[in-house]
Amino acid sequence: ELKVEQNPLFLSMQEGKNYTIYCNYSTTSDRLYWYRQDPGKSLESLFVLLSNGAVKQEGRLMASLDTKARLSTLHITAAVHDLSATYFCAVDSGTYKYIFGTGTRLKVLA
Amino acid sequence: GAGVSQSPRYKVAKRGQDVALRCDPISGHVSLFWYQQALGQGPEFLTYFQNEAQLDKSGLPSDRFFAERPEGSVSTLKIQRTQQEDSAVYLCASSFPRRLAGGGNEQFFGPGTRLTVL
Repeated sequence: ELKVEQNPLFLSMQEGKNYTIYCNYSTTSDRLYWYRQDPGKSLESLFVLLSNGAVKQEGRLMASLDTKARLSTLHITAAVHDLSATYFCAVDSGTYKYIFGTGTRLKVLA
Repeated sequence: GAGVSQSPRYKVAKRGQDVALRCDPISGHVSLFWYQQALGQGPEFLTYFQNEAQLDKSGLPSDRFFAERPEGSVSTLKIQRTQQEDSAVYLCASSFPRRLAGGGNEQFFGPGTRLTVL
């Protein structure tokens, strides 16, 4: 059974600092997605990672995928308050459904 | 173009009441998914449709939960005799009819229906 774990679960960081969120999964997959969720809102797609070694960047966020290590990272550079949200990784199970991680609740302090 | 829409956005039900949640997927999307998101948790898969066929309902937590998509477009998730543990946000997602180049199958999510059972 595919399991997806994220860490940390909670992250409080100062503006301007860098940090990385980790997403580990238990079985082979080469398709991984990152989503952002604001309180009371739905899931906003951030990145689609479709192969080993994939790296994508958008603004202060950069995501990468290492399928051999079964690990994806979401790196935050010079955090700003607007990045405060919950971030989820989701692994394509190989059929059609996503298995979501536990989520990382990020709070960026001014 | 329009994204995935869901209605109602909020639903308060008394324990034992039946509820019906609606999802309108993106036009042309063959695949439709329902997820349940409990407070502070990640979404969990409930069921999957390809056109009107329900191909997987393994995530439905009990036989009180029923989903349909009779014409391959709009879907309804019905919960009978609601219980307090059914309180959650119910998310609907749809995806393109074929996998993206490279094998991706990106799902697009609706705003969700927040169900509160008293």
